[in-house]
Amino acid sequence: EIVMTQSPATLSVSPGERATLSCRASQNIDNNLAWYQQKPGQAPRVLIYGTSTRATGIPARFSGSGSGTEFTLTISSLQSEDLAVYYCQYYNNWPPRVTFGPGTKVDIK
Amino acid sequence: QVQLQQWGAGLLKPSETLSLTCGVSNESFIGYYYSWVRQSPGKGLEWIGEINHSGNTNHNPSLKSRVSLSVDRSKNQVSLRLRFVTAADTAVYYCARGRIFISYFYMDVWGKGTTVTVS
Repeated sequence: EIVMTQSPATLSVSPGERATLSCRASQNIDNNLAWYQQKPGQAPRVLIYGTSTRATGIPARFSGSGSGTEFTLTISSLQSEDLAVYYCQYYNNWPPRVTFGPGTKVDIK
Repeated sequence: QVQLQQWGAGLLKPSETLSLTCGVSNESFIGYYYSWVRQSPGKGLEWIGEINHSGNTNHNPSLKSRVSLSVDRSKNQVSLRLRFVTAADTAVYYCARGRIFISYFYMDVWGKGTTVTVS
C-alpha cells in the first residue's frame, strides 16, 4: 500500500511571497498525482493533475512539479484568497484506489 | 456545466445505515466514475469508493465490508450506503466526478457535501 505524506503541516507565507508545498509517496507513482485546494467550509477543488497540468480555470501562479516519489506544488505569489488546506492525491490503477495526503494548511502571515 | 447535488439523512444513531444520493445534472452521466469521499471533523480526506454508470465499483478496503454503492441510470444518480455506523463515521460526505486524462486520474467536479452526525 502506497502512503502519501505532506510537509510542512502548516505554512505561513506573506502575501506576494512564494509558497512551496511538498508531497512524498512511499513508492514510485510515476506522475499520477493531483493537487486539491480546500478553503474553509468548501468542497475541495482540483488545481493540478498529472503532476503538472493545471485544471481548467486555475490561475498560472499555481504550478506542480516532480516525479517518482517527490512532488511539489508552488504558489508563485501568494494571494489572500489562497488561504486553504492543500491535499495531494494518488490514484492506483490496479487495484483502483484513491489515496490522499494528510494536507498542508497555508496561512497568510 | 455539470453539477452534483447531494442529499440524505444527516443525523443517525449508532448501528443505523447511512444513505446518501448524488444526482448528476447538465451533462452526460456516462463515461465517468463517481466517487464518495468523506472528511471527519478537523481531519483530512478519505476516499470511500467509486462507481460508474455500468455499476462497476471499486472500494477502499478499510470500509468495503460496510459499504454498498449503487447507480440509477434512469435518474443519473449514484448512492452510498454505509451500514452499522458509529461515531467514527461522523463526517462531511462528498460525491465527486472522477476522470482520467491519459492515465492520470483526478476529481474535477464535487458536490457541496452532506454533514452526517452519528450520535
